Amino acid sequence: SQTIHQWPATLVQPVGSPLSLECTVEGTSNPNLYWYRQAAGRGLQLLFYSVGIGQISSEVPQNLSASRPQDRQFILSSKKLLLSDSGFYLCAWSRTGVGTIYFGEGSWLTVV
Amino acid sequence: DQQVKQNSPSLSVQEGRISILNCDYTNSMFDYFLWYKKYPAEGPTFLISISSIKDKNEDGRFTVFLNKSAKHLSLHIVPSQPGDSAVYFCAASSNSGGSNYKLTFGKGTLLTVNP
Repeated sequence: SQTIHQWPATLVQPVGSPLSLECTVEGTSNPNLYWYRQAAGRGLQLLFYSVGIGQISSEVPQNLSASRPQDRQFILSSKKLLLSDSGFYLCAWSRTGVGTIYFGEGSWLTVV
Repeated sequence: DQQVKQNSPSLSVQEGRISILNCDYTNSMFDYFLWYKKYPAEGPTFLISISSIKDKNEDGRFTVFLNKSAKHLSLHIVPSQPGDSAVYFCAASSNSGGSNYKLTFGKGTLLTVNP
């Protein structure tokens, strides 16, 4: 069966510090990978998606970036965090050509 | 522009009764619809989906209905259980013809099932 893991689960970072959230998927190959964010009182907003190694598409302009160094690894980064980057970040995957997306456990980021 | 709307931020029902969660969409290109359940501080869990070629899909206590002409879908939970208490997200996507599927989510409805 397929599993998805992301870490860390929670982190508190000062404004201006860097960020790295990591996500890995097991039990499948060549998945589509996604980063979503849930801000307070809002739905789930797609930040980035990737259909293959090194292929990243950004949905919204922001202070974040994503990378996919390996087939089943997806990383969300920032060089300098802003207060507005606080939120619940979710990694997700789907099979190529299939519309159902499966989410990881989520990472709470608080920027102080 | 919010393409997927869940107009009820919350819903409260009694255990054993039916829960009906509603969702409206505006993009006529959407052809695949999903419901997710989310507990606090956890990732959403996929519940049930329906493609635009169907008008109903059932899985145990969960049934999703799709009314394409009204651009409306609903999730029925029968019978409702206290463990169903969570935030429910409606989501939609369109087959862009490529290998990537991007979901557009509503803002969610908090369901509370009272014992």
